[in-house]
Amino acid sequence: DAKTTQPTSMDCAEGRAANLPCNHSTISGNEYVYWYRQIHSQGPQYIIHGLKNNETNEMASLIITEDRKSSTLILPHATLRDTAVYYCIVRAPRSNFGNEKLTFGTGTRLTIIP
Amino acid sequence: DTAVSQTPKYLVTQMGNDKSIKCEQNLGHDTMYWYKQDSKKFLKIMFSYNNKELIINETVPNRFSPKSPDKAHLNLHINSLELGDSAVYFCASSQDKGYSQETQYFGPGTRLLVL
Repeated sequence: DAKTTQPTSMDCAEGRAANLPCNHSTISGNEYVYWYRQIHSQGPQYIIHGLKNNETNEMASLIITEDRKSSTLILPHATLRDTAVYYCIVRAPRSNFGNEKLTFGTGTRLTIIP
Repeated sequence: DTAVSQTPKYLVTQMGNDKSIKCEQNLGHDTMYWYKQDSKKFLKIMFSYNNKELIINETVPNRFSPKSPDKAHLNLHINSLELGDSAVYFCASSQDKGYSQETQYFGPGTRLLVL
């Protein structure tokens, strides 16, 4: 799986959009970009994933650049409950069942400020 | 209903003891995982099971023995506990279908402290 680079920490004002960048310059054609987050003392939580098109769900939007070397997770109206560590993970689909491990990096610690 | 549950939530024990952590998922998933998060917050895969069969074993010491009695349960037994085993252990599950992209659902974690 390709390596990802994220800023160590970011702050965002409550109610504003939080934009979390991720670099994955060595991503290959069949690798997906996943975002998970971990709120303090809880298990990681899936947010969104995509291959090359931009994606949106009820939690966030994912913008992937045309060359796929970077992406941005957007939380449109950040709340205090969005304070967490956000992980950008790149991985390819596996050919055998049960081999879908997630390789977590250090992530971005996002703090939402009242 | 909790999708992925773990027991106990906290476990404090002495070095050299043997302990087990239990995980259950009610999502009907085929694959379950154990991850370990150390004191520096690095989260790393340990094992995965698909339909009760071991798939991933990431060079974990053989003191750690996962057991899957059925596809809804994946328990982790640890023999001869060491100080370095102190960590938070997360169970997860997913519905893997080969090449499809399935998300993983994590349990709340078990905080193990070895004294």
